[in-house]
Amino acid sequence: GNSVTQMEGPVTLSEEAFLTINCTYTATGYPSLFWYVQYPGEGLQLLLKATKADDKGSNKGFEATYRKETTSFHLEKGSVQVSDSAVYFCALMDSSYKLIFGSGTRLLVRP
Amino acid sequence: EAGVTQFPSHSVIEKGQTVTLRCDPISGHDNLYWYRRVMGKEIKFLLHFVKESKQDESGMPNNRFLAERTGGTYSTLKVQPAELEDSGVYFCASSQSPGRTYEQYFGPGTRLTVT
Repeated sequence: GNSVTQMEGPVTLSEEAFLTINCTYTATGYPSLFWYVQYPGEGLQLLLKATKADDKGSNKGFEATYRKETTSFHLEKGSVQVSDSAVYFCALMDSSYKLIFGSGTRLLVRP
Repeated sequence: EAGVTQFPSHSVIEKGQTVTLRCDPISGHDNLYWYRRVMGKEIKFLLHFVKESKQDESGMPNNRFLAERTGGTYSTLKVQPAELEDSGVYFCASSQSPGRTYEQYFGPGTRLTVT
């Protein structure tokens, strides 16, 4: 069946450090891929998405590229800020339009 | 435009009691989804409404869970009787139409604690 695996956290970085959160997926076909973010005390927000192979999603300095050959969708940011501290969820949309999520990665950015 | 709202934000109940969670989707969104996150694990799909009809309820864990969507507007999720393993955060999401490019907008979640 479809599944998403993402790196376990927490990930602790200093401000302005480079961020990578790994995400790999197992799916039939070529699902759309998403990164959602949950800031403290808030709901899930869509951060970025990619709907086909080699697409790059980007938003707020974050990027992720849909890699079909490695079934990956790693999240990257060149310089994190304290305000990026949150839980990040990788997800795919299956053929019946429901989202299948990874377990989430907590990011803590220290000043 | 108002986002997806959920009520209550927190609920603490004893094992064996009943709890009803409510979700108000974004106006005009026919699709409504329920998900939950248990014990800090992955967020799992529960069910999907299209208007007032259940399109997919494959994720509902057992018959203690009952979801309704009256008139295709707000939705309720009732847990009766609640068990300890039902504790977690219940999220509701809505979208205009099902599809690969249509974003699901999430509410803030209801944190349910069963003691």
